[in-house]
Amino acid sequence: DSGVTQTPKHLITATGQRVTLRCSPRSGDLSVYWYQQSLDQGLQFLIQYYNGEERAKGNILERFSAQQFPDLHSELNLSSLELGDSALYFCASSVAGTSPGNTIYFGEGSWLTVV
Amino acid sequence: AQTVTQSQPEMSVQEAETVTLSCTYDTSESDYYLFWYKQPPSRQMILVIRQEAYKQQNATENRFSVNFQKAAQSFSLKISDSQLGDAAMYFCAWPDYTGANSKLTFGKGITLSVRP
Repeated sequence: DSGVTQTPKHLITATGQRVTLRCSPRSGDLSVYWYQQSLDQGLQFLIQYYNGEERAKGNILERFSAQQFPDLHSELNLSSLELGDSALYFCASSVAGTSPGNTIYFGEGSWLTVV
Repeated sequence: AQTVTQSQPEMSVQEAETVTLSCTYDTSESDYYLFWYKQPPSRQMILVIRQEAYKQQNATENRFSVNFQKAAQSFSLKISDSQLGDAAMYFCAWPDYTGANSKLTFGKGITLSVRP
């Protein structure tokens, strides 16, 4: 158990809908990362937050947004869903976001299926 | 651009034997870290081992060890005494620096199967 908690574990929704994925980082971790893993794209970095502020952005679509709350939990919002958004979405956390030696711990992921 | 390359998509090993998974990277940084993650069929990402570039000694965690060759920019993972539970996808990962922050960039992964 990495200590990173993600909900829901599985989600099936229809095209055009909106979903929210939730993440609680490990106790004491200030940095949260979101990754998308699909069959054909591998692991893609989406976005990083550090202590409530956005720190880095990767290949995140405009239909997707995220935030980190004062209690450090984070949410990833996916809207106008398309079939191609079906993927495993990982949340990860680390103590800080600025050290090159940060060990990043992953949650178990949220499986999103868009039908 | 800094990249991580895993050129072998699949590998197979006999139980109790040793296998080496390859990873190369390309960077102009002098001080950095490298990571190997394991993703079993449950799909959870599990940290296996990490290597600090400025350390001469290769990292070791039980049956897992690294063959780190800085000049060649090579970072291989050696699994000794392979067990059935080692069957998984293995990802080499690199903390990609952007300003004052780092995020992990992953290679495409290697699928390891273990034959009983």
